[in-house]
Amino acid sequence: EVQLVQSGAEVKKPGESLRISCQASGYTFSDYWISWVRQMPGKGLEWMGSVDPTDSYTSDSYPKYSPSFQGHVTISGDRSINTAYLQWSSLEASDTAIYYCARHRGDLDFWGQGTRVTVSS
Amino acid sequence: EIVMTQSPLSLPVTPGEPASISCKSSQSLLDSSGYNYLDWYLQKPGQSPQLLIYLGSKRASGVPDRFSGSGSGTDFTLKISRVEAEDFGVYYCMQALQIPPTFGQGTKVEVK
Repeated sequence: EVQLVQSGAEVKKPGESLRISCQASGYTFSDYWISWVRQMPGKGLEWMGSVDPTDSYTSDSYPKYSPSFQGHVTISGDRSINTAYLQWSSLEASDTAIYYCARHRGDLDFWGQGTRVTVSS
Repeated sequence: EIVMTQSPLSLPVTPGEPASISCKSSQSLLDSSGYNYLDWYLQKPGQSPQLLIYLGSKRASGVPDRFSGSGSGTDFTLKISRVEAEDFGVYYCMQALQIPPTFGQGTKVEVK
């Protein structure tokens, strides 16, 4: 059974750093990208970026980002533990949202349960 | 990036009645392979989104056959033949042709 299990809810202050995780199981991790999707309170879905867990060093395997998120977040993966990460070096109040990871095969066919991130002073 | 536009944004439906949602893209989603790279997702209240339809018309595993996707190019439709209680929530279309994938605004299907 394919499962994506995300890390728990976080409450942070503006300017703090954060890394959330998404651990995959039930399939060969390196066969599919993992994407991150943001959902701000009461709003729709926004694709942030994706990572190719093959760990190969080609331009095609580098993380890909939406222009809206490029430079503000970093997406990475660790094939040895079947885990993808989304991280911020300096959070802002506008980063308050639920973040979902999803297996990306073109469509997003399996989703994690979501990680709620609250940024407040 | 490709802009996705859904209509209506709110759809009151009586259980047992049909429902239809439109999704239009700013560019054709028809690939040279002959596939339309358009997906449909349902997000039930308090839950993660789930894939319903991929490549325009293919039902994802476990999706009931009352759901159907149609259309080509820039115009797509999701139809529910008879809405059941478990179908209420927000429906999103998403183009998967280009990076970044982009979603429609969402259509809230609610009890009439």
